[in-house]
Amino acid sequence: DAKTTQPPSMDCAEGRAANLPCNHSTISGNEYVYWYRQIHSQGPQYIIHGLKNNETNEMASLIITEDRKSSTLILPHATLRDTAVYYCIVRVAIFGGSQGNLIFGKGTKLSVKP
Amino acid sequence: GAVVSQHPSWVICKSGTSVKIECRSLDFQATTMFWYRQFPKQSLMLMATSNEGSKATYEQGVEKDKFLINHASLTLSTLTVTSAHPEDSSFYICSARVRLADTDTQYFGPGTRLTVL
Repeated sequence: DAKTTQPPSMDCAEGRAANLPCNHSTISGNEYVYWYRQIHSQGPQYIIHGLKNNETNEMASLIITEDRKSSTLILPHATLRDTAVYYCIVRVAIFGGSQGNLIFGKGTKLSVKP
Repeated sequence: GAVVSQHPSWVICKSGTSVKIECRSLDFQATTMFWYRQFPKQSLMLMATSNEGSKATYEQGVEKDKFLINHASLTLSTLTVTSAHPEDSSFYICSARVRLADTDTQYFGPGTRLTVL
């Protein structure tokens, strides 16, 4: 079972920031938080990952609470093309180990509206 | 990011035939690739882990004799659905593991939609 809890759906106005929450209250000290998204009928796209520090890249920002029990993915200026299902995944960072497999939950369906 | 391709993007076949799906890492070498299946309105389910030069590791409930996986090179893994039946109709997605500075991640292919008549 997925170790994360996400709202099933969210709406966001085009041009505004989209803030997608994720609860991972049972996260272990050696587990990372990963975010992927899946646009309809495509393969998932890697967005960002983090351990405990906040992270930012060209796609998004990841804010992880100090106790690491929750995080928020921020798309600073959402566009219609950001409409997708967003998956928050917690996994151990063991290169080559099966414990590090990505287990997908149901994610959050983000609808960006004009 | 790293690019993973799949071929074909969609395939329609008759019941009882076999279908091969290719997954390629285009600009990097992948010692480990993964195969997922996704039914309509559901999330991705991991089927198996494909390791270059060795046998694949299948998840519980996935028939290894029905879903044959071959990872013959560092850039190619294939999934063959043998004796396909309508219940095998699904969206099949592969991914490749890429090592990063502190951990690793997976990059996914665009998926292959299989329809079995």
